[in-house]
Amino acid sequence: DTGVSQDPRHKITKRGQNVTFRCDPISEHNRLYWYRQTLGQGPEFLTYFQNEAQLEKSRLLSDRFSAERPKGSFSTLEIQRTEQGDSAMYLCASSLWGVGANVLTFGAGSRLTVL
Amino acid sequence: AQSVTQPDIHITVSEGASLELRCNYSYGATPYLFWYVQSPGQGLQLLLKYFSGDTLVQGIKGFEAEFKRSQSSFNLRKPSVHWSDAAEYFCAVQGAQKLVFGQGTRLTINP
Repeated sequence: DTGVSQDPRHKITKRGQNVTFRCDPISEHNRLYWYRQTLGQGPEFLTYFQNEAQLEKSRLLSDRFSAERPKGSFSTLEIQRTEQGDSAMYLCASSLWGVGANVLTFGAGSRLTVL
Repeated sequence: AQSVTQPDIHITVSEGASLELRCNYSYGATPYLFWYVQSPGQGLQLLLKYFSGDTLVQGIKGFEAEFKRSQSSFNLRKPSVHWSDAAEYFCAVQGAQKLVFGQGTRLTINP
């Protein structure tokens, strides 16, 4: 068990560019979550998958954001036409739903800076 | 909708002193409650969780928390803090399918 991996750890981009983040969950986990965290705030829910199905999206996830989990394993979060307000830490978490309690294990996060 | 309030944005304590971080939640049903810790530039690490049963739960690193339904609270405590406990602490409630976090409390330790 290598935990939840996120890549890249840091990304600096110019406004208007597209960025993509990758998350590799714990292999036996069937749920995968994306959260966003801005400075001085708690994580805010963006979306989650159960296996390959995206089951819920927050209103925070504008149409510039898209997330996929094509084979029910790793997931990508893409932000198109980035804005300065997108600067944040993007956290991925995974869990095993359906076996006892739903405990989320988080990755180290991907920090995005939009110039 | 569920929500979490952490009234203290920043707390400073001396090394060796006791600690209590406050957390109040709003949730219609029996809550599942969590405390996570985040060191600078890192992800969140689970300290402890409450699902049912004994209202005093023990966690890692010597932390404990007490669930009080009548007060809608889930306060985190530690009898004696260490310099390595300096971090951001988040309380969370599990609502429908996802965790909802509080704003966090930043803990500073004075030597």
